Amino acid sequence: EAGVAQSPRYKIIEKRQSVAFWCNPISGHATLYWYQQILGQGPKLLIQFQNNGVVDDSQLPKDRFSAERLKGVDSTLKIQPAKLEDSAVYLCASSLAPRVGEAFFGQGTRLTVV
Amino acid sequence: GESVGLHLPTLSVQEGDNSIINCAYSNSASDYFIWYKQESGKGPQFIIDIRSNMDKRQGQRVTVLLNKTVKHLSLQIAATQPGDSAVYFCAENKGDFNKFYFGSGTKLNVKP
Repeated sequence: EAGVAQSPRYKIIEKRQSVAFWCNPISGHATLYWYQQILGQGPKLLIQFQNNGVVDDSQLPKDRFSAERLKGVDSTLKIQPAKLEDSAVYLCASSLAPRVGEAFFGQGTRLTVV
Repeated sequence: GESVGLHLPTLSVQEGDNSIINCAYSNSASDYFIWYKQESGKGPQFIIDIRSNMDKRQGQRVTVLLNKTVKHLSLQIAATQPGDSAVYFCAENKGDFNKFYFGSGTKLNVKP
C-alpha cells in the first residue's frame, strides 16, 4: 500500500515570502493532519481534517497559515508571509477514520526561512 | 509534554541490552497512547499502541506499560539493535476525533 506522499521534500525561502506544501494521504483515509515539528521537539498538531471539513485548527496561526482539503483527498498547507520561526519540518499524516488506530506519517517537508 | 528544545533526553545503551524509555502524559482523560519511532529525515513510524483499559501490551521485542495512577508510559525494547537508534515519542489521544499530542521525545543511541 502506498504511504502518505508529501512534496516538496525541502524548501528554502526568504522571510515574508509565501510557500505551499502538498500532501496526498493514504487512499481511503478520511482523517488528515498537518503537524509542525521544530528541530529537537515533538510534532505539534496544526490542523486536522475529517474528509474536507476542519475538525481542529486551534493551534494554526491563522494570520499567516491556511490549509485546505478540497474533495476530501489531497491537502495543501500555505504560509504567507513566512517568518524565521516557521523554519521546521511540516508533517502530513492520515488515519482511516476518527478513533481508529494510528496515524501514518509522510516524510515531511523541511522548510528553512532565511 | 514540555518541550526541551534542542536538548533531547538521550539514552545510550549497548547493543544487545534492554532499553526503557519513559514518558509522562498530561491528561488523565486520555484513553489511547501510541509510541512512535522517528529516524533522521523521516516521519514518525508507529511502533505499538495501548488503550487505557490495559496495563501492558507486548509486540515483537517491544512492550508498553501504562500506569494511569501516575500518568506514566514506558516503552521497553528487548535486545536493542543498532537499527533501533532513533528518537522515540509517546503520543496521547484526547477527545473524540483521533487527535494525537506528542511528548518531546527521547533519543536512543545504541552502541555496537
